[in-house]
Amino acid sequence: DGGITQSPKYLFRKEGQNVTLSCEQNLNHDAMYWYRQDPGQGLRLIYYSQIVNDFQKGDIAEGYSVSREKKESFPLTVTSAQKNPTAFYLCASSEGEKQPQHFGDGTRLSIL
Amino acid sequence: EDKVVQSPLSLVVHEGDTVTLNCSYEVTNFRSLLWYKQEKKAPTFLFMLTSSGIEKKSGRLSSILDKKELSSILNITATQTGDSAIYLCAAGGTSYGKLTFGQGTILTVHP
Repeated sequence: DGGITQSPKYLFRKEGQNVTLSCEQNLNHDAMYWYRQDPGQGLRLIYYSQIVNDFQKGDIAEGYSVSREKKESFPLTVTSAQKNPTAFYLCASSEGEKQPQHFGDGTRLSIL
Repeated sequence: EDKVVQSPLSLVVHEGDTVTLNCSYEVTNFRSLLWYKQEKKAPTFLFMLTSSGIEKKSGRLSSILDKKELSSILNITATQTGDSAIYLCAAGGTSYGKLTFGQGTILTVHP
């Protein structure tokens, strides 16, 4: 089945630790996105990538980093510089800028 | 700064009722307006609207865009308990793929 797979579903971070969230898609989509969802605030864009080896900051990139070495993969690292990482993280992809984005099932990150 | 506002923030209805969800936007070089339904995990795509006044319909759900009023509505007729979810509205401008989301409307349908 074609789709977007995020792992793990739940993740706990200790103080000072970097953690990486995985996002893989087999839809052959060029564009991929990372969002953060907090209660009552909707989704906010962290990073996006239009093509392999290229990515741009979204509205809340501070404390996060990404890579796009393969078309199907767009991992997000939450660094120790992100002081409030507890949130629901959603990965999305789209065929192009004029096409709707489709989402994975998300990763819920909490602080230990 | 781009902005999307949804209303109401929450709504409780009974099965069979008709509901209207509202979305207003202020987006530079507006291109498209999207609606998503989010139950427990992944938002699922409902509609993408680019032209004013043309209604899009899928079963009991329909949506229309008004570019003059910078707004869109999502209608759900004959609601069912399975319609209980968060409904998200998002607007996109010409900045590649970048969507600005509203806070969402939490819809609860009681039997």
